[in-house]
Amino acid sequence: GQSLEQPSEVTAVEGAIVQINCTYQTSGFYGLSWYQQHDGGAPTFLSYNALDGLEETGRFSSFLSRSDSYGYLLLQELQMKDSASYFCAVPSGSARQLTFGSGTQLTVLP
Amino acid sequence: NAGVMQNPRHLVRRRGQEARLRCSPMKGHSHVYWYRQLPEEGLKFMVYLQKENIIDESGMPKERFSAEFPKEGPSILRIQQVVRGDSAAYFCASSDGTSHHEQYFGPGTRLTVT
Repeated sequence: GQSLEQPSEVTAVEGAIVQINCTYQTSGFYGLSWYQQHDGGAPTFLSYNALDGLEETGRFSSFLSRSDSYGYLLLQELQMKDSASYFCAVPSGSARQLTFGSGTQLTVLP
Repeated sequence: NAGVMQNPRHLVRRRGQEARLRCSPMKGHSHVYWYRQLPEEGLKFMVYLQKENIIDESGMPKERFSAEFPKEGPSILRIQQVVRGDSAAYFCASSDGTSHHEQYFGPGTRLTVT
């Protein structure tokens, strides 16, 4: 089966940098995805890492270490609108479905 | 709007009634996934469908739950004889089938069973 662990809550101030970690255990690994969800709304895709290293997309970056079964999402220059839940997820079931972590609630303070 | 559409957004049913949730995938997508989310939890996979075919229903309860994606029209998740434990947000997602890790989600249907 698949399991993902991530912190339940993170708090940071506007303008700061925050890192949300995710460790996973999977039978068969294809890559690590990150999704953002505001107030129970539609989750939106942020990034995907299939290979080790850092992927940068604007203020957001995502890192993967396959040997450590670990990844993280890095958010820079935090803004109030970044307050949301962030989920790591892995493709499973022959890479067709997503298995999600329980989510990290990020609160950005002024 | 070419995004994933779901309706209704909110649905209230009494115990024992049936709930029908609809999902229209993003334009050009023929792969649909249904997920359930309980408060303060992550999304749990239920079923994956392509047009007229159920590909993977390993996450769906064996009883009372069914899903379809007909040749014409939206995908439908059907819950018969609802119980209070079925109260949750149900999200539909779609993809083009080449990148299952990148799924586009609808706004969800919040089902409340009274």
